[in-house]
Amino acid sequence: EVQLVESGGDLVQPGGSLRLSCAASGFTFSSDWMSWVRQAPGKGLEWVANINQDGSEKYYVDSVKGRFTISRDNGKNSLYLQMNSLSAEDTAVYYCARDAPRSAGSDYWGQGTLVTVSS
Amino acid sequence: IQMTQSPSSLSASVGDRVTITCRASQSINNYLNWYQQKPGKAPKLLIYVTSSLQSGVPSRFSGSGSGTDFTLTISSLQPEDSATYYCQQYYRTPNSFGQGSKLEIK
Repeated sequence: EVQLVESGGDLVQPGGSLRLSCAASGFTFSSDWMSWVRQAPGKGLEWVANINQDGSEKYYVDSVKGRFTISRDNGKNSLYLQMNSLSAEDTAVYYCARDAPRSAGSDYWGQGTLVTVSS
Repeated sequence: IQMTQSPSSLSASVGDRVTITCRASQSINNYLNWYQQKPGKAPKLLIYVTSSLQSGVPSRFSGSGSGTDFTLTISSLQPEDSATYYCQQYYRTPNSFGQGSKLEIK
């Protein structure tokens, strides 16, 4: 059974940093692209970033470029999102998701982890 | 690439045929996916690459379209279909979502 379990969400002050983790199991993690998607309270889905199988390709939405870094450790079956210079606009539930092959969407999602940026 | 869904909200009765549309700001070569999200839950992939039904998804869900205009259809609405539906393009990063269409059951 495919499982994605996010962790690391917390209350953080504006300007602060946080590192999210996503532990993957039930599939060959090193074979798949992975994504982070977020959802602000009461709002829609926003794609944040994705990363290819060996970590050599990374893409970001403009609003997080230069502040967020996506990475992975295939030996630990884990995906990460390092978030710096956080602002209130980054407050959201952050989901990790597995990207199906051939651009067939994100077929497995974690339960999400809540990041709240507030003083 | 901007994705625009319509309507933003709708209400329909059990058994109705429901259609939600999604328009891309440029051609996305049919790399269009549909998701269903219920309150407090992660999104669930329904349709990928415009018209392919994800495993385990009921056959009352279908997708169609090409170029910039796409449609999600529920052929006979069921009570458990109450949810918000999102389209997403996978043609180019950032893999943008539509704003969502909230479907309520009358």
